[in-house]
Amino acid sequence: EVQLVESGGGLVQPGGSLRLSCAASGFTFDIYWMSWVRQAPGKGLEWVANINQDGSEKYYVDSVRGRFTISRDTAKNSLYLQMNSLRAEDTAVYYCVRGFDAKYGFDIWGQGTMVTVSS
Amino acid sequence: QSVLTQPPSASGTPGQRVTISCSGSSSNTGNNYVFWYQQLPGTAPKLLMYRNNQRPSGVPDRFSASKSGTSASLAISGLRSEDEADYYCAAWDDSLSGAVFGGGTQLTVL
Repeated sequence: EVQLVESGGGLVQPGGSLRLSCAASGFTFDIYWMSWVRQAPGKGLEWVANINQDGSEKYYVDSVRGRFTISRDTAKNSLYLQMNSLRAEDTAVYYCVRGFDAKYGFDIWGQGTMVTVSS
Repeated sequence: QSVLTQPPSASGTPGQRVTISCSGSSSNTGNNYVFWYQQLPGTAPKLLMYRNNQRPSGVPDRFSASKSGTSASLAISGLRSEDEADYYCAAWDDSLSGAVFGGGTQLTVL
């Protein structure tokens, strides 16, 4: 079964850091682009970042560039999101998502992990 | 304010046909494929349509989509109660070098 399982979410104070992980299984991880997409409580979807198959290409939404870093470990079939200098507006469910048509779409979504930034 | 524009809500009665619009620009919907996602209450989104008008396996043919210029639309025919969900359009934006979503349309089956 194709599956993405996120972990690492939680409550963090403004200015703090958090590292999200995503374990992929059931497919050949290293041939797909991977992304993080978030959804603030009661709001719509927002793409956060994506990374190509070997990690040589990375893209970020303007609001997180310089604060968040996406990475992947092919040997561990895992995707990561290092989040620094967190702000209240980063509060959201973060979904790990498999790329479809390279970086252009998303076909497999994890169940999401909640990140709450609050003092 | 989302880069792609969708109506916030839509509704219909069982059996009806409903359409949801998605408007963008030349840097996103006008030059790249449009994708549609369905998010049922309390669940993760699901890919509903890809490459403007293609259905993944398992998606009923009651769902269809089209694109013309910088606008796209999703149509649901033979509306059913289980279609009640949020629907999002999305595309890659060449100017932003990132994916952009519409604000989402909440579909209510009356």
